[in-house]
Amino acid sequence: DGGITQSPKYLFRKEGQNVTLSCEQNLNHDAMYWYRQDPGQGLRLIYYSQIVNDFQKGDIAEGYSVSREKKESFPLTVTSAQKNPTAFYLCASSQGVIGNEQFFGPGTRLTVL
Amino acid sequence: KNQVEQSPQSLIILEGKNCTLQCNYTVSPFSNLRWYKQDTGRGPVSLTIMTFSENTKSNGRYTATLDADTKQSSLHITASQLSDSASYICVVSAEDSNYQLIWGAGTKLIIKP
Repeated sequence: DGGITQSPKYLFRKEGQNVTLSCEQNLNHDAMYWYRQDPGQGLRLIYYSQIVNDFQKGDIAEGYSVSREKKESFPLTVTSAQKNPTAFYLCASSQGVIGNEQFFGPGTRLTVL
Repeated sequence: KNQVEQSPQSLIILEGKNCTLQCNYTVSPFSNLRWYKQDTGRGPVSLTIMTFSENTKSNGRYTATLDADTKQSSLHITASQLSDSASYICVVSAEDSNYQLIWGAGTKLIIKP
């Protein structure tokens, strides 16, 4: 998993609760990304950050929030506004621009009860 | 609309046999094409990356081909092993201002002994 850690591996939450997924990388990469993966679909970009203290919305940012206070860390908060949050969440990082090779963490499976 | 379509959706073959997975894309302007391998419950791992001028690239028993004229790519796996059981995802990068990545839904490959 290339120096990217995500925690926890499995996460359960009740409806109406916010939850934060952790992502840390020690690859000294500038860019970090959050994707959502649902069965039978391609990965969908939630948010990405190319530099500390700056981030951009991806294709499905509604109901999610992020921060990038440190180069190594890019936590994702799934808020109660996300209508269908049960999914597999993947964090990735790359050196330079979004088009460069991305290295992925092991993922967090979030289940809303 | 930029799209990546993969076929077949799933495939079952016997250990030791060869197989070929297909990827068709309608991404413009094209930057590069990648194949990722994703084990169940894990993050994707890059296998190959090809630019417009490359029409074949190998990584061990994996060989990817690219026909930029017909916008098709294939991933050929030789002498399959049980550890090849995974999803194989085709990803195309668009050479726009954000180098957007367009992800295919993947082909689920099962190798049986």
